[in-house]
Amino acid sequence: DIQMTQSPSSLSASVGDRVTITCRASQSISNYLNWYQQKSGRAPKLLIYAASSLQSGVPSRFSGSGSGTDFTLTISSLQPEDFATYFCQQSYRTPLFGQGTKVEIK
Amino acid sequence: EVQLVDSGGGLVQPGGSLRLSCAASGFSLKNYDIHWVRQAPGKGLEWVSAIGTTGATYYPDSVKGRFTISRENARNSLFLQMDNLRAEDTAVYYCARANVVAPDAIYYFDYWGQGTQVTVSS
Repeated sequence: DIQMTQSPSSLSASVGDRVTITCRASQSISNYLNWYQQKSGRAPKLLIYAASSLQSGVPSRFSGSGSGTDFTLTISSLQPEDFATYFCQQSYRTPLFGQGTKVEIK
Repeated sequence: EVQLVDSGGGLVQPGGSLRLSCAASGFSLKNYDIHWVRQAPGKGLEWVSAIGTTGATYYPDSVKGRFTISRENARNSLFLQMDNLRAEDTAVYYCARANVVAPDAIYYFDYWGQGTQVTVSS
């Protein structure tokens, strides 16, 4: 089975900071990797699909990169509304999510 | 506007049953793979089941034989019949639409329901 390891599990950052979250697959998944944002008490929201494609309506400060086993979600300039938990998800096989990264206010 | 509305959750005793519903609007359910994903309190996201456009169904081992996903095209609705419930099934359950990027058929969840709480406790 494919395992997804997301890091860090949490981070503290300030408004305006550049934030990077990584997701590693236990085997190559090509670009079958998606990123979601979840705010407390809400459903997840799609940010990035196919590793680097920005979902319609998502601000351009969000970007994704990577292929194979290593992937990155970057927020170029953190905004107050970006404090949330972020999950990666592989779609190479049946869906599997990373453990999540909680982005908190420093 | 595309919308998914989850319902049917509640408190049930171990060994009991619940039937969750997911009502779709703004698109036809039968034209998409639809999944159920759950989230236990304070935990991450776990895939629970899926139904394809052909009607094929899929489950992880953790729920296989206990959960049944189905679709009623006339009502544009999806259901999850959950039997023999366990304490570890306690979670918020979301239905989610899977969209696909050609040509590699990379799927992703572009629309989600608001979630419905299932609590299994005596």
